[in-house]
Amino acid sequence: GAVVSQHPSRVICKSGTSVKIECRSLDFQATTMFWYRQFPKQSLMLMATSNEGSKATYEQGVEKDKFLINHASLTLSTLTVTSAHPEDSSFYICSALAAGLANTGELFFGEGSRLTVL
Amino acid sequence: DAKTTQPNSMESNEEEPVHLPCNHSTISGTDYIHWYRQLPSQGPEYVIHGLTSNVNNRMASLAIAEDRKSSTLILHRATLRDAAVYYCILRGPQGGAQKLVFGQGTRLTINP
Repeated sequence: GAVVSQHPSRVICKSGTSVKIECRSLDFQATTMFWYRQFPKQSLMLMATSNEGSKATYEQGVEKDKFLINHASLTLSTLTVTSAHPEDSSFYICSALAAGLANTGELFFGEGSRLTVL
Repeated sequence: DAKTTQPNSMESNEEEPVHLPCNHSTISGTDYIHWYRQLPSQGPEYVIHGLTSNVNNRMASLAIAEDRKSSTLILHRATLRDAAVYYCILRGPQGGAQKLVFGQGTRLTINP
């Protein structure tokens, strides 16, 4: 099946620094990618929808200046957590919708990136 | 987004069938029923989806009630690797917004 890769899988940073997480579709083109965050023992919360070449659409309550999303190509979307604080520590997961497979309805998810802010 | 209701947790034994229920009484006529599962410390993975008819694939079967207000994911012979959180999600017509909004899901425990 299609593969979505996230990097880094784990990152630890100091409070106040910015962290970039990459999401790549390895063997297909993704016109749309989604970013989620997940706190321990909780479900996934959708943060934003990212379309290639246009601005991301953020869910209510998600700060667009805090979580910068760029989808510059059909195989890469990045999430930058700016000026990270301990409360931003979470599991960030991306998913991609394959352009050619859009009608199957299946979304492909990355392995997740665990961010720890000290 | 139309809401789904699932039991918080279920438990089953290895090599036995598992029936995971999902209620979606406010489903619209064009909503697809999707199931994903999430193993510990991993991203979710697709299991199955359907609209009206029952569906089968190599992972599971999806039984959809005639009124579409509920569905059941069936794992025919559970293994320890099937221990995960299972999410039942309604999704708009393909070609639309496409986003998946996750509920709390059912945490499935498999006993050896």
